Amino acid sequence: AQSVTQPDIHITVSEGASLELRCNYSYGATPYLFWYVQSPGQGLQLLLKYFSGDTLVQGIKGFEAEFKRSQSSFNLRKPSVHWSDAAEYFCAVGEGTGTASKLTFGTGTRLQVTL
Amino acid sequence: GAVVSQHPSWVICKSGTSVKIECRSLDFQATTMFWYRQFPKQSLMLMATSNEGSKATYEQGVEKDKFLINHASLTLSTLTVTSAHPEDSSFYICSARDAGLTDTQYFGPGTRLTVL
Repeated sequence: AQSVTQPDIHITVSEGASLELRCNYSYGATPYLFWYVQSPGQGLQLLLKYFSGDTLVQGIKGFEAEFKRSQSSFNLRKPSVHWSDAAEYFCAVGEGTGTASKLTFGTGTRLQVTL
Repeated sequence: GAVVSQHPSWVICKSGTSVKIECRSLDFQATTMFWYRQFPKQSLMLMATSNEGSKATYEQGVEKDKFLINHASLTLSTLTVTSAHPEDSSFYICSARDAGLTDTQYFGPGTRLTVL
């Protein structure tokens, strides 16, 4: 069965600093990987996704993620964090083809941004 | 992007009663919707996959007689928690698949259920 591990429960960074959120997955076939952000009172918003091709994917809000098959990782990065980026971030792996597939989520990483 | 709404956003009910939660895709048609459950400070757990016009597919361990799902139209899916008990208290989130160009799951804001 597929699984996702987000090792960091809580991360605090200063505004303007760089950010990297870790995600490791376990999946037998080619993974379909996603990063979502959840803000209080709002639904999960898709930041980016990886299906195939270029292993460095660009997303919204200045986020990017790099797929590394050898490390079974899909870490999320942002070069300069803004206070509005404070939220809960979830990595997910999809079963099957496309985002219509069932998603297995990691436990999430809560990002706190200090001014 | 596409918008998914949920109603109500929060509900409190007495033990033994039933509660219905609605999930609507506001500006696209969704042949597939998903229902998740999220415990405090935990991840989202998929409960069931709902396909328009057919029976929902439940994940292992989810009681289909307790969590009734209906997907009668391309823009509406409902989750009914029957004979609710305090252990059913949770945050319920739906998502809807937009099978168009982006082929993306869009998530609703969630419904907080508290059973007294």
